[in-house]
Amino acid sequence: NAGVTQTPKFRVLKTGQSMTLLCAQDMNHEYMYWYRQDPGMGLRLIHYSVGEGTTAKGEVPDGYNVSRLKKQNFLLGLESAAPSQTSVYFCASRGTGEALYGYTFGSGTRLTVV
Amino acid sequence: KNQVEQSPQSLIILEGKNCTLQCNYTVSPFSNLRWYKQDTGRGPVSLTIMTFSENTKSNGRYTATLDADTKQSSLHITASQLSDSASYICVVRKNNNDMRFGAGTRLTVKP
Repeated sequence: NAGVTQTPKFRVLKTGQSMTLLCAQDMNHEYMYWYRQDPGMGLRLIHYSVGEGTTAKGEVPDGYNVSRLKKQNFLLGLESAAPSQTSVYFCASRGTGEALYGYTFGSGTRLTVV
Repeated sequence: KNQVEQSPQSLIILEGKNCTLQCNYTVSPFSNLRWYKQDTGRGPVSLTIMTFSENTKSNGRYTATLDADTKQSSLHITASQLSDSASYICVVRKNNNDMRFGAGTRLTVKP
């Protein structure tokens, strides 16, 4: 049982380039989330999904798009990367029993935009 | 201003000593509060969960307290070990998909 797997682990992009971060979970969780973590700040929610085929905006959605075509995968896209998007990105998932088990987080993707 | 404030920002203690981390929040409404441990280069892992009616909860050497009236929580670590070196993050849940994260306390345990 791998839990939540994020790929890639590291990436350097030039300003204006695009990329997709992949999050895969094997726990049959309904809910999936993308967060970014910046120094001195708490994790901030970018987008989330409450089930296959659904997406919703979080606290800081601008400059990002997401898709949840399959229940186990949640993709985060950057269409035109900017230096302000340099961050560590975490994917998380949860089942309906969050009260007991909390969120399961991936190991993160460190993205640098130069 | 962050709705979840943690103190101290960083802390260094000697192995075997105890320490207490603080979390003050202004998040409303309140559903529950969790403490997460985040090792370097890893995602956060849940340590404890506190609901409105709970005052204290233990998980091994970790004991969390909650005062819902003053909106304060603490995480006490007893007999610290080198493996306790990590960031500890206080997270308050508002509703189903809205959680507010503190910036964390970076704990370093030295031999």
